[in-house]
Amino acid sequence: SQTIHQWPATLVQPVGSPLSLECTVEGTSNPNLYWYRQAAGRGLQLLFYSVGIGQISSEVPQNLSASRPQDRQFILSSKKLLLSDSGFYLCAWIRSETQYFGPGTRLLVL
Amino acid sequence: SQQGEEDPQALSIQEGENATMNCSYKTSINNLQWYRQNSGRGLVHLILIRSNEREKHSGRLRVTLDTSKKSSSLLITASRAADTASYFCARMDSNYQLIWGAGTKLIIKP
Repeated sequence: SQTIHQWPATLVQPVGSPLSLECTVEGTSNPNLYWYRQAAGRGLQLLFYSVGIGQISSEVPQNLSASRPQDRQFILSSKKLLLSDSGFYLCAWIRSETQYFGPGTRLLVL
Repeated sequence: SQQGEEDPQALSIQEGENATMNCSYKTSINNLQWYRQNSGRGLVHLILIRSNEREKHSGRLRVTLDTSKKSSSLLITASRAADTASYFCARMDSNYQLIWGAGTKLIIKP
């Protein structure tokens, strides 16, 4: 069966510090992968999606970036975090038009 | 971006009652999906209804779709305390991207 992992689960970072969130998928090959951000009490905002290694599409301009160094690995990064980067970050993959989500990373930028 | 509108934003009912949540959208869809999110967790897919379908059932869940009104509803019958969660609709556009609503927060009182 397929499993999606995210880490860390929770992160508290100072403004201006770098960020690296990792997402890995098991049990499938060449998945389409997605990074979303969810502000408190809100819906999901698509940040990036990837259809394969090295292929990244960005949905919104921001100080975040994404990379896909391996087929089953999707990384969300920032060189300098802003207060507005706080939120709940979710990774997902898609099969048969349905998205399957990881447990999420809660990021608090202080 | 969020192009779906859900109402109500919050709903509180007694256990055993039925809960109805609505979702409206503005552009054409391939399908519309409903997801559930427990507090601080990832989203879980509930049901997918295609644009040529009008109603779909899964256990205590009933989803309807009215493409002429560009709206969908999710009915949870005989609610239980464990149904307490946030419920999101997401429409799949012609690029197979999911566009998310802001969600309905459902509280089931025991």
